[in-house]
Amino acid sequence: AAGVIQSPRHLIKEKRETATLKCYPIPRHDTVYWYQQGPGQDPQFLISFYEKMQSDKGSIPDRFSAQQFSDYHSELNMSSLELGDSALYFCASSLPEMNTEAFFGQGTRLTVV
Amino acid sequence: KQEVTQIPAALSVPEGENLVLNCSFTDSAIYNLQWFRQDPGKGLTSLLLIQSSQREQTSGRLNASLDKSSGRSTLYIAASQPGDSATYLCAVNDYGGSQGNLIFGKGTKLSVKP
Repeated sequence: AAGVIQSPRHLIKEKRETATLKCYPIPRHDTVYWYQQGPGQDPQFLISFYEKMQSDKGSIPDRFSAQQFSDYHSELNMSSLELGDSALYFCASSLPEMNTEAFFGQGTRLTVV
Repeated sequence: KQEVTQIPAALSVPEGENLVLNCSFTDSAIYNLQWFRQDPGKGLTSLLLIQSSQREQTSGRLNASLDKSSGRSTLYIAASQPGDSATYLCAVNDYGGSQGNLIFGKGTKLSVKP
């Protein structure tokens, strides 16, 4: 069965550079969420989209932005990268109905040097 | 503000043992609770989803229970195997956020010894 696809799987950037992470949800899932998991930490909700509109916002820095496109894939744009942005970034998707299961991708490991 | 706590933080058991992982949450106004498995440096694999109206869910050797009124959930793993070694995370989807705004516990790191 198709899963949530994230690219790239690994990314190394220097401080103050920009990074773009991509997420392709499971077919028919039009709701996408982004999470950040720092080393040894639990995942923290960043932002979510439903039908290409932002539906909720968590602890996402102002340096980050995201959008969902007409094909429902989503991109997380991160600018002025800091060392503390090094983390595993997860995307999840679900069906639009309430109380449905969230399926996570394998994550993008971002290392800022 | 919702807080999710998992006890113990780490657990080591011999192969074949039955075990229970605990999860508690402070605000019982939740839509659902989901248990995940995470291998080191890997993604989150959904194990079980329990709706707020349900008491338990079963999948193979896994059984998850939910007592919403007391803010507790348990994940029971029967006949543990070395391949079960991973970090187990519980997460709640509560009324304070939109669907998908999951609030995670810090996980229980399970090690099953052959």
